[in-house]
Amino acid sequence: GAGVSQSPRYKVAKRGQDVALRCDPISGHVSLFWYQQALGQGPEFLTYFQNEAQLDKSGLPSDRFFAERPEGSVSTLKIQRTQQEDSAVYLCASSFVGFQYEQYFGPGTRLTVT
Amino acid sequence: AQSVTQLDSHVSVSEGTPVLLRCNYSSSYSPSLFWYVQHPNKGLQLLLKYTSAATLVKGINGFEAEFKKSETSFHLTKPSAHMSDAAEYFCVVSDRGNDMRFGAGTRLTVKP
Repeated sequence: GAGVSQSPRYKVAKRGQDVALRCDPISGHVSLFWYQQALGQGPEFLTYFQNEAQLDKSGLPSDRFFAERPEGSVSTLKIQRTQQEDSAVYLCASSFVGFQYEQYFGPGTRLTVT
Repeated sequence: AQSVTQLDSHVSVSEGTPVLLRCNYSSSYSPSLFWYVQHPNKGLQLLLKYTSAATLVKGINGFEAEFKKSETSFHLTKPSAHMSDAAEYFCVVSDRGNDMRFGAGTRLTVKP
């Protein structure tokens, strides 16, 4: 398909486990964004890549969160030693370049930490 | 830093009546403003965006929004609601293209 895909769609982790969330952006999109959406809230920015360069990671809530995009395409968001407050939907979006172009969002990964 | 306030967490309208979803923003610069819609189990979809061109912006599915700098508002409207419009709507501000700040969302319910 032509859209942004994310996997897994649902993830249940026990507290303390590590998780890895994958994002496949639209082919040719230079920019990739990760957001965290808590229940009943709007998405909150986590981090932003332009190609393989992570230009902004100011939204990552702690050093347990790590994101990479080694070849400038697929991206992985990793959360180490998950905690209950990490439970949220993690959204990935891609755009042609930068924030001012339309961002196309994936369906999200719903993470539940028990 | 920029921020956005959606004034209603829930709006309920009858099918065929007008829709008004209110959004106020705060920005130190000339912002870009967006409205996104989120249907259950679907990704966020862009409805429309304002980027310093015409102040009245038309989007998809009959929605439009007017940028009013004096009121720091960017309210979303539609003349006639359809059942398929029921969803969560997010107002978003981007300050100099540095990042996007989402509002908390407004849930729109459409009654038959």
